[in-house]
Amino acid sequence: SAVISQKPSRDICQRGTSLTIQCQVDSQVTMMFWYRQQPGQSLTLIATANQGSEATYESGFVIDKFPISRPNLTFSTLTVSNMSPEDSSIYLCSVGGHLLNYGYTFGSGTRLTVV
Amino acid sequence: TQLLEQSPQFLSIQEGENLTVYCNSSSVFSSLQWYRQEPGEGPVLLVTVVTGGEVKKLKRLTFQFGDARKDSSLHITAAQPGDTGLYLCAGASYNTDKLIFGTGTRLQVFP
Repeated sequence: SAVISQKPSRDICQRGTSLTIQCQVDSQVTMMFWYRQQPGQSLTLIATANQGSEATYESGFVIDKFPISRPNLTFSTLTVSNMSPEDSSIYLCSVGGHLLNYGYTFGSGTRLTVV
Repeated sequence: TQLLEQSPQFLSIQEGENLTVYCNSSSVFSSLQWYRQEPGEGPVLLVTVVTGGEVKKLKRLTFQFGDARKDSSLHITAAQPGDTGLYLCAGASYNTDKLIFGTGTRLQVFP
């Protein structure tokens, strides 16, 4: 299965600033997924990042707030823009699907605290 | 929007007891997965079920995928304190491979 390196692992940021989270995969994958996990809750899908096209966002998430880059088949970034305390969450990237025998791998997560 | 409802939401039991967690949806999935997550860590895959009606066993854990591929259950026999954690089911979409997570079940096993 794929191995994902995600960074930073944690950060404390001032409100109004932006943070970019990076995920590097050790193999080429078509799609990468970005999730948010608010304290004490399950994972919510933010968007699907395809190489060579714009990311597809889920209901309640917009590109201006969570811009995503996918410059190649092994790398993606998620930016959390103009942060507020409500953005304090764990953000995770993931790869997987039927092309990977239905296996899904997750990065170790970025724990973001906005003060 | 695909939704996966898990029940119960919280479960506190004594060591040695049995328990079942349910994961239900109105959507059909290409596969369904179960994860366990501990505080400060990412979710760890326990099992993937692909075929409707499939049953998989992993030591004291038994997973079942519903015949219609819309629901699943996780049964733990003789629970141990090490089973404590957040259990998440997740269904994969046929068309997009998106993995949608259930609402989660927080299990606490007391010695």
